[in-house]
Amino acid sequence: AQSVSQHNHHVILSEAASLELGCNYSYGGTVNLFWYVQYPGQHLQLLLKYFSGDPLVKGIKGFEAEFIKSKFSFNLRKPSVQWSDTAEYFCAVWTDSSYKLIFGSGTRLLVRP
Amino acid sequence: EADIYQTPRYLVIGTGKKITLECSQTMGHDKMYWYQQDPGMELHLIHYSYGVNSTEKGDLSSESTVSRIRTEHFPLTLESARPSHTSQYLCASSSGLAGEGRELFFGEGSRLTVL
Repeated sequence: AQSVSQHNHHVILSEAASLELGCNYSYGGTVNLFWYVQYPGQHLQLLLKYFSGDPLVKGIKGFEAEFIKSKFSFNLRKPSVQWSDTAEYFCAVWTDSSYKLIFGSGTRLLVRP
Repeated sequence: EADIYQTPRYLVIGTGKKITLECSQTMGHDKMYWYQQDPGMELHLIHYSYGVNSTEKGDLSSESTVSRIRTEHFPLTLESARPSHTSQYLCASSSGLAGEGRELFFGEGSRLTVL
C-alpha cells in the first residue's frame, strides 16, 4: 500500500535557524506532492505543491520544497525560521494509482523566540 | 481565507447518541471530503463526494454515513456514537482533483469525544 512518511514528529528550533522537514513516499509512478500547514487554532492550508515542471517549488512565507524522484522525497525547507512558523506541517501525495490524496502523520514545529 | 465551515467545533456526547457533524462551503466546489485525524497520526479519508447525490467511502472504514443533497452541504452522521469514534473530523472541498494539482480547502474541524 502506498504511504507517506514524515520521520520527524517534533522539531524544536530557535529563530533564524534553518529548517528541513523530511517527506518520503512509497510509489514509483506519477505523483503530485503537497505540503499543508496548520497554524495553532487555524485550519489546514496549502503551503506549496509540485504538479509538474521545475522540481524545486516555492511556496508562501519563504518555504520551498524539492522533489527528488530518485529518492522518493519531497523535503520542505526554509533558510531562516520565525516564531510565527510554529505550526504542524503535513506532507501529502497523490498517485495515479490510488487517485486519492494520502497524508503523512505530520511534524510539529516549535520555533523558540 | 477558506470559506468552509464546520459545526460544532467541539462535541462531548454519551455512548449511543446520534450525532451529525455539519460541513458547508460557499465556494461552489463539486468535490468534498471527510477526513479523520487522531493526534500524531495521518489524516485518513473516510468519505468523499464528487457532486450532488454522489458519495463514496474512503480508505479508512467508518461507521459514519454522509449525504450530498446540495452542492454546498456535506453532513456526516453517526447513528450510535461509541468511544471508538472519539477523534477529530476534518471536512474539505476542492474545485478539482489533487491529480490535477488542485488544492483542498479545509474547515477548522470538529473534535468529537464520546464518553
